[in-house]
Order: sequence, then C-alpha cells, then structure tokens
Amino acid sequence: DVKVTQSSRYLVKRTGEKVFLECVQDMDHENMFWYRQDPGLGLRLIYFSYDVKMKEKGDIPEGYSVSREKKERFSLILESASTNQTSMYLCATRGRNTIYFGEGSWLTVV
Amino acid sequence: QQQVKQSPQSLIVQKGGIPIINCAYENTAFDYFPWYQQFPGKGPALLIAIRPDVSEKKEGRFTISFNKSAKQFSLHIMDSQPGDSATYFCAASFNSGYSTLTFGKGTMLLVSP
Repeated sequence: DVKVTQSSRYLVKRTGEKVFLECVQDMDHENMFWYRQDPGLGLRLIYFSYDVKMKEKGDIPEGYSVSREKKERFSLILESASTNQTSMYLCATRGRNTIYFGEGSWLTVV
Repeated sequence: QQQVKQSPQSLIVQKGGIPIINCAYENTAFDYFPWYQQFPGKGPALLIAIRPDVSEKKEGRFTISFNKSAKQFSLHIMDSQPGDSATYFCAASFNSGYSTLTFGKGTMLLVSP
C-alpha cells in the first residue's frame, strides 16, 4: 500500500508565525503535490514537484512556498501565516496515473 | 475559471436508493476523469476512473457514465448503504492522468438507514 504521511495532523499557529507542514511518501514516487481543501471550494492545488529540488506553482501559490530536498519528502511553508490560511492541507503523490493522498493537516491560524 | 463543475453540493438518500452526482467540464483536452471518495478525517481516495473512449464503467456498486458530446460525466451508486456516506469529488486531467488533477467542489452524500 502507498503510504503518504503528514506528521502534523492538527496545528494552531499565531498570525505572522512561520509554519512548516511536512509530508513523507514511501513509494519512491517522483511527483508530489500540496492541495488545500476548504468547504464549498473543493481541492485547490498550491504547489507540485516533479523531482528533487524542482517545484511548480499550482492554482493558489500566493503566501506559500515549498521545499523538496529529498525525493521522499515535500514540505509546504507558510512564511508568515495569516488567518485566511486556516484550512486543511493535503499532501499527495502520483504513482502511474493515480494520485494518493495523505490524511491531511488541519491548520488554524489565530 | 472553474474547469470542472460538480452538482449537487449535498445529497441525502435513503438506504437502497441510487444517488447520482454530476460533473461538467469545459476543456475538451481532458482525457482522464477520476472520482475520489473522502470520509471525515481522512484524505480522498480514488474510487473509480474513466477515459473518454468508453461511455460507462462499473466497479461493484459504483458506475461512471460519460457523455463526451455533452462534456459531462456522472457517478451512480447502486443500492447505496450508510457506509457510502462521504464527500465525493470528480476530477479531470490531461495526458491520461499524468498531469495535475482539476477537482470539482465536492458533493456531501448522506445515506440514511
């Protein structure tokens, strides 16, 4: 089974804090993704990566950055968290043509 | 611009009923159409997918119907069960699924006992 692990399931951060969301996959997949899920808005792509040290902007990259130093790890960074970034964040990988999601990280910015 | 429109936003059916969720897309270059199922507190998981060269695909109680000329596809759940209560997302991508997925906004399904 494909395993996509998001180590932080629930976080509460203050406005202006720097936030790191970590994601690790165990299937040696090249492609990794970060989505944001909000009620009524579905899943929106923030950033994705096709390979180590490579990144591409998705549909809503503003306020976010990413890091992929190793193939198995893809990190989402909020440089200065804001209340409108309160959301659930989903990491995903692609194997063949199937995308596999982690269980999500619930972030609340107060 | 929303490229995949999903309806309804929520749906309640009785056990044994056949909920139908509809999606419409705009870009005719899409060639891979998956459906994802998400239970509360979990990430979405692939349920079933179809390519535009077929009009229907069945996997167990789940069926995708695809209408290429209308640029629409739908998910039917036969003999629905309370355990099917979840949020369902349709999606579309290019290159047989090897590009990024564009998701619909989701449908919350509740199957009452």
